[in-house]
Amino acid sequence: EAGVTQSPTHLIKTRGQQATLRCSPISGHTSVYWYQQALGLGLQFLLWYDEGEERNRGNFPPRFSGRQFPNYSSELNVNALELEDSALYLCASSLGQGGRQETQYFGPGTRLLVL
Amino acid sequence: AQSVSQHNHHVILSEAASLELGCNYSYGGTVNLFWYVQYPGQHLQLLLKYFSGDPLVKGIKGFEAEFIKSKFSFNLRKPSVQWSDTAEYFCAVTPAGNNRKLIWGLGTSLAVNP
Repeated sequence: EAGVTQSPTHLIKTRGQQATLRCSPISGHTSVYWYQQALGLGLQFLLWYDEGEERNRGNFPPRFSGRQFPNYSSELNVNALELEDSALYLCASSLGQGGRQETQYFGPGTRLLVL
Repeated sequence: AQSVSQHNHHVILSEAASLELGCNYSYGGTVNLFWYVQYPGQHLQLLLKYFSGDPLVKGIKGFEAEFIKSKFSFNLRKPSVQWSDTAEYFCAVTPAGNNRKLIWGLGTSLAVNP
């Protein structure tokens, strides 16, 4: 069974540009999550999508946005890139059954470097 | 604010030594608890999880963790480590319910010398 996949593996952008990161969940999973892992800050929750809707959002500015497609894959968009957006962006997926006991499974991440 | 604290940032052990990594969280309600591991060059993998029931949970590769509600702790243990356990270990917590937001500790880097 294929795990969570993410593309691209690396992305280099300059300040002010936009970045688009993509994620495909494990087959059968409907929930997708995005996390940022910046140096020294640990993993921070960004967004949660389920059934095409944004369900929860972390403490990030509106220039961090995303969407979930009918096939449950997801995109994370970061507009007006700033140097501090340089980080590893992790995508995770879960079954999305709506219950209390959900386990998130992670992809390999996209490393974004903003110059 | 909810937070997770991992007490040890870097741990160095010899093979066959016992391991205990501390994890404490701040949240007064019911929680789901996780330990994830990241081996060199690999992505995050689930080591074990606790939702409810027996507070002593067993995970992969001989790891176990004990949930002590009164201490808000979920410490990870392994009686005898191997060189292949060299990795970064992360504790994560989410309030039970439909929040789904994982709150993470900063991680513990474990190096096991052969």
